Amino acid sequence: DAGITQSPRHKVTETGTPVTLRCHQTENHRYMYWYRQDPGHGLRLIHYSYGVKDTDKGEVSDGYSVSRSKTEDFLLTLESATSSQTSVYFCATGLAGGPDTQYFGPGTRLTVL
Amino acid sequence: QKEVEQNSGPLSVPEGAIASLNCTYSDRGSQSFFWYRQYSGKSPELIMSIYSNGDKEDGRFTAQLNKASQYVSLLIRDSQPSDSATYLCAVNILVANTDKLIFGTGTRLQVFP
Repeated sequence: DAGITQSPRHKVTETGTPVTLRCHQTENHRYMYWYRQDPGHGLRLIHYSYGVKDTDKGEVSDGYSVSRSKTEDFLLTLESATSSQTSVYFCATGLAGGPDTQYFGPGTRLTVL
Repeated sequence: QKEVEQNSGPLSVPEGAIASLNCTYSDRGSQSFFWYRQYSGKSPELIMSIYSNGDKEDGRFTAQLNKASQYVSLLIRDSQPSDSATYLCAVNILVANTDKLIFGTGTRLQVFP
């Protein structure tokens, strides 16, 4: 297992509030990813990073922003949370980009009321 | 047509039987294929990767790839109740000129004693 932690593991928040989820890795993997997982949709890529300060959008990036100031940390921010962003969020890391093996963190369950 | 398709299941098999999980994909140019296992409430974990046509065996697991027919399958021999989980197929797909790893929605496997 890649050493990947996510915080918080659970969060309940209200519509319109900002939320930041943190992913921390100890494996020195270059690539980091944020996914959301919803019933019927599977895992969908929100944003990814291919290096410090280098990020790009995934397929469901609207309403989300990311930052990566250090190799080990990748932050996902919901600027103004909506109920449609209620989901389970997974961080993943990889040695190489795109189609290579990805290792997943334990996930964060976010509920937006 | 979804880029990566899986039957959602559940697929129910008796203990000791062979479980066969299938996945089809849309991009003829795909080169990398992965099977992840996800227990309920947990994060996905990689169990198999395959890159060439044919079979790849690892213990009780065999991945089969047929690029001409655009499908990849996972066989689990001597199925155990502990194999009960959702199995996610992941395939690299070219999306907007960028190589992305796309996940299917998963097949739920139930192994009964």
